[in-house]
Amino acid sequence: GAVVSQHPSWVICKSGTSVKIECRSLDFQATTMFWYRQFPKQSLMLMATSNEGSKATYEQGVEKDKFLINHASLTLSTLTVTSAHPEDSSFYICSARGSNSYEQYFGPGTRLTVT
Amino acid sequence: SQQGEEDPQALSIQEGENATMNCSYKTSINNLQWYRQNSGRGLVHLILIRSNEREKHSGRLRVTLDTSKKSSSLLITASRAADTASYFCATDFTGTASKLTFGTGTRLQVTL
Repeated sequence: GAVVSQHPSWVICKSGTSVKIECRSLDFQATTMFWYRQFPKQSLMLMATSNEGSKATYEQGVEKDKFLINHASLTLSTLTVTSAHPEDSSFYICSARGSNSYEQYFGPGTRLTVT
Repeated sequence: SQQGEEDPQALSIQEGENATMNCSYKTSINNLQWYRQNSGRGLVHLILIRSNEREKHSGRLRVTLDTSKKSSSLLITASRAADTASYFCATDFTGTASKLTFGTGTRLQVTL
């Protein structure tokens, strides 16, 4: 089946620094990738949708200058949390979808802790 | 918000019993999907049911969809301790370019 990886699986950073999270589709070409965040014991909330080679589309209330998304190739998307603050601490999950497919394949998630 | 509502929020049953979770949503959908998430882990896709389907089976899972009531249910039969996880429905709303909107989730605990 389709496999999506995320790196790192967890990261601790200091307030004010930036953190980059990678999402890779390992065995298929992902024309679209999605980024979600999940707070403890809550549901996943879609942050943004990115299509390869174009700018990401952000959901209402998500700051595009704070959460930079790059989808430069059909197998890699990155999410950079800029000037991180403790309230950005969360579980970030990406998913990837190939063309002509309904199904999204999810990565294992990245736990970000900002101290 | 288009987020779906799931009930119950939490469910505790004994091994061997059946578990039923319900999901309600608000607008027209292309399809509805169910996912499982073990604590602190990624999501595992369980089953997808299209808007023109009413029932679907996969192993011990049975999913129903009632588009007139905008609701779906997930039944896990003969539950096992390994089924302990959070279960989410996710809807692909018509006209949203296949974005998924996740429900609030049901935390299932299966005890021995």
